Order: sequence, then C-alpha cells, then structure tokens
Amino acid sequence: LAKTTQPISMDSYEGQEVNITCSHNNIATNDYITWYQQFPSQGPRFIIQGYKTKVTNEVASLFIPADRKSSTLSLPRVSLSDTAVYYCLVGRRDNYGQNFVFGPGTRLSVLP
Amino acid sequence: NAGVMQNPRHLVRRRGQEARLRCSPMKGHSHVYWYRQLPEEGLKFMVYLQKENIIDESGMPKERFSAEFPKEGPSILRIQQVVRGDSAAYFCASSLLMEPRQGDGYTFGSGTRLTVV
Repeated sequence: LAKTTQPISMDSYEGQEVNITCSHNNIATNDYITWYQQFPSQGPRFIIQGYKTKVTNEVASLFIPADRKSSTLSLPRVSLSDTAVYYCLVGRRDNYGQNFVFGPGTRLSVLP
Repeated sequence: NAGVMQNPRHLVRRRGQEARLRCSPMKGHSHVYWYRQLPEEGLKFMVYLQKENIIDESGMPKERFSAEFPKEGPSILRIQQVVRGDSAAYFCASSLLMEPRQGDGYTFGSGTRLTVV
C-alpha cells in the first residue's frame, strides 16, 4: 500500500482558501486518491476522490499532477466548521473491495 | 437506513471482560471494515469482511480479537479478556462495490468508544 505524507497541522482564517498537499511517491497504477474529513468524536467523512487531473464537487477540489506523486485538496473559503482532521489515502480498487491506510492526517484549525 | 449504525456509542468494560461491538452497514452494502483509532492518531485497519467471509484480517491482533459478518444481522467485533490498551474508538465502515471510474469512498459509522477500567 502506498504511503502518504501530509503536514501535521495547518492554520487558516475564515474566508480563505486552504490547500493541503499530500505526497505519495510510490503510488501504483491502479491506486486512487481519496480524502476524508474527521471531526472530534465522529467517524471520517468522505470528501472527494480522484485518479488524475482535477476533480471538483460541491465541497472541495482535488488537483493531481500528471506524475500522480502528490495531490492537493483545496477547500474554498473555509469557515470555522471546517476545523477538522483531513486524511489523504491512496488505495487500490479491485475485486476484493477497498483497504485504505489512514496516516495521522492534517489537523486544520480555522481561526475567526 | 440513514447510514452505518454502530452500537453502543460508548462501552465501559473492566479488565478481563468481553466487549462486543456491533455494526450495521448501509442498506445494500456488503463490504464491512473495522478500524481502531487511538487518541490523537489516525485510524488503523483491522479487518475487512463480506457476508459470512473474512477477506482480510491482517490488522487484527492475533489473540483475543475476532470479527464476523453473518448472513443475517450486524457485523460483530469481539474482544475477549479486554486490557487497558484496548481502550480506543472503534469505527466500522461499509462500501458498495462499484466500477472504479464511478469513484466512491467508505461510509463510516460514528464509532464505539471503548473504555477499559
């Protein structure tokens, strides 16, 4: 399973755009990149998933360069409620389902 | 079925007792995963099950821990003779097997917080 590296923590202010970059140098051809958000005392919540280039949904955007060795989660105009831990995962889809490995994540603190 | 349901939310056990954690996956999901999370740490994979089958238990401790996902009913994570080091949050997730291009992730439950006293 590909290992990921993320900053341990980040601070931002309300209304700013936040970009969290994840390194995954040994990503495999069949691996997808998935980001989760976790609030205290809750289970992680799926944010976005991508394979290459750019993916956008109502919550975030995910930028993946051509070599796929890194990815950047972009959160537009964050609010205080976006304070959470964000996990970058790299894993393979196959006939036996998914088995992703969670690293320590990035603790985002949004300040007023 | 609004989502993945885990119960109980909180469980207190004395050392040496048994803990049984239950997980009902989302409707239509046949893949269940259990994770353990220690305070201030990321989630650690424990086991992946499909109905009546354990697919991957590489993250399960060799002793005292077992998991099942019967044909009927919820998935159960069972910890026998609990010790203080078992205190953690245990999360269950489920997924629907889809084509890769559609993209999806796990749906997690709210977890069971086990405290061993």
